[in-house]
Amino acid sequence: KQEVTQIPAALSVPEGENLVLNCSFTDSAIYNLQWFRQDPGKGLTSLLLIQSSQREQTSGRLNASLDKSSGRSTLYIAASQPGDSATYLCAVRKTGNQFYFGTGTSLTVIP
Amino acid sequence: DGGITQSPKYLFRKEGQNVTLSCEQNLNHDAMYWYRQDPGQGLRLIYYSQIVNDFQKGDIAEGYSVSREKKESFPLTVTSAQKNPTAFYLCASMTFGQKSASGRFGELFFGEGSRLTVL
Repeated sequence: KQEVTQIPAALSVPEGENLVLNCSFTDSAIYNLQWFRQDPGKGLTSLLLIQSSQREQTSGRLNASLDKSSGRSTLYIAASQPGDSATYLCAVRKTGNQFYFGTGTSLTVIP
Repeated sequence: DGGITQSPKYLFRKEGQNVTLSCEQNLNHDAMYWYRQDPGQGLRLIYYSQIVNDFQKGDIAEGYSVSREKKESFPLTVTSAQKNPTAFYLCASMTFGQKSASGRFGELFFGEGSRLTVL
């Protein structure tokens, strides 16, 4: 079974700092990997999706990379802002259309 | 606007009651999913459906039931057999073979969630 791990579980940074969130998975036979943001008491908002054939995707201040062979993905957030404070989750999609989620990294950006 | 609507947002259940959570999507998505989220745990799959009138059990299906009579609707019933139903429930959907509104294949979208509390 696919295991997805996100470390650290929580992270606090001062405003303006660049930061990296990590996601690792045990089975490299994935269809794609998706990063989400979740605000307290809300659903998940899709941020970036990387297909298995891609190495990275960018959207604004966010950049996600994927290294299938090592079972790792990173989400890079540039010039962090207090509005970036949220929990960030990664999910891998296997064939058969099932998704496996990490437990998330809770990010706090301090003004 | 296209999206996934979950209702109610908050729901309270007494012991022995069945309750139904609604999930409706107007994205014309093929697959729909129900997840349960508990503090400190990742999302756990309850049921999913890839086509109308067909659905599969996920990792924690016991005490839950679903139906998929229409493409846009995938209600979840939490039965009295579910011993610890207090949780945050999330519905999601995905399309096959075509790009999402954001231009990506195979992108998973979520509703805003329903919080169920047992009294």
